Amino acid sequence: DAGVIQSPRHEVTEMGQEVTLRCKPISGHNSLFWYRQTMMRGLELLIYFNNNVPIDDSGMPEDRFSAKMPNASFSTLKIQPSEPRDSAVYFCASSLRGSSDSPLHFGNGTRLTVT
Amino acid sequence: AQSVAQPEDQVNVAEGNPLTVKCTYSVSGNPYLFWYVQYPNRGLQFLLKYITGDNLVKGSYGFEAEFNKSQTSFHLKKPSALVSDSALYFCAVKGGGSYIPTFGRGTSLIVHP
Repeated sequence: DAGVIQSPRHEVTEMGQEVTLRCKPISGHNSLFWYRQTMMRGLELLIYFNNNVPIDDSGMPEDRFSAKMPNASFSTLKIQPSEPRDSAVYFCASSLRGSSDSPLHFGNGTRLTVT
Repeated sequence: AQSVAQPEDQVNVAEGNPLTVKCTYSVSGNPYLFWYVQYPNRGLQFLLKYITGDNLVKGSYGFEAEFNKSQTSFHLKKPSALVSDSALYFCAVKGGGSYIPTFGRGTSLIVHP
């Protein structure tokens, strides 16, 4: 089990540029979550997919953020245009939705810095 | 609605002493409770969970947690702390048929040599 794989690990970009974060969930997991972590706000849920379908995107900050899950093994989170306040660590997590007692498995995150 | 409170931003303990990291929750119906640990520059890692049954749950790295329904608490404990236990600890709850967990803000555990 390779775990949840995120890329890149670090991303530094200038304000106004497009940023794409990538995630490969654990094989067989049918739920996928994107979180953002900052010192000020802690861990925030951005979006939740089940069986590749977005179920809850109420945490997506604004229209500059978008997420897709074209298949069961890949998801992207895109920010366009990026702003300095988007600087944070972005985590992807996956789990089995079959039972509510399934824990989340997190990737090691992408540290985004927007200058 | 479901919520989690971790009342302490930081807990300091000497190596070899017992440790407790506190968590209280609010949820409709029966709660599913989880503890996660985050080491620097890493994602959250699952430690243990309470679903039903015995109120004392044992997990990874010698950690355990006690579920108390009347106090709506799920405190994390370890009999003897190690310096390597120093990390950020998150409590999470799911309930009422929700598949989305709610996380606390995290508690930084510092174990002094």
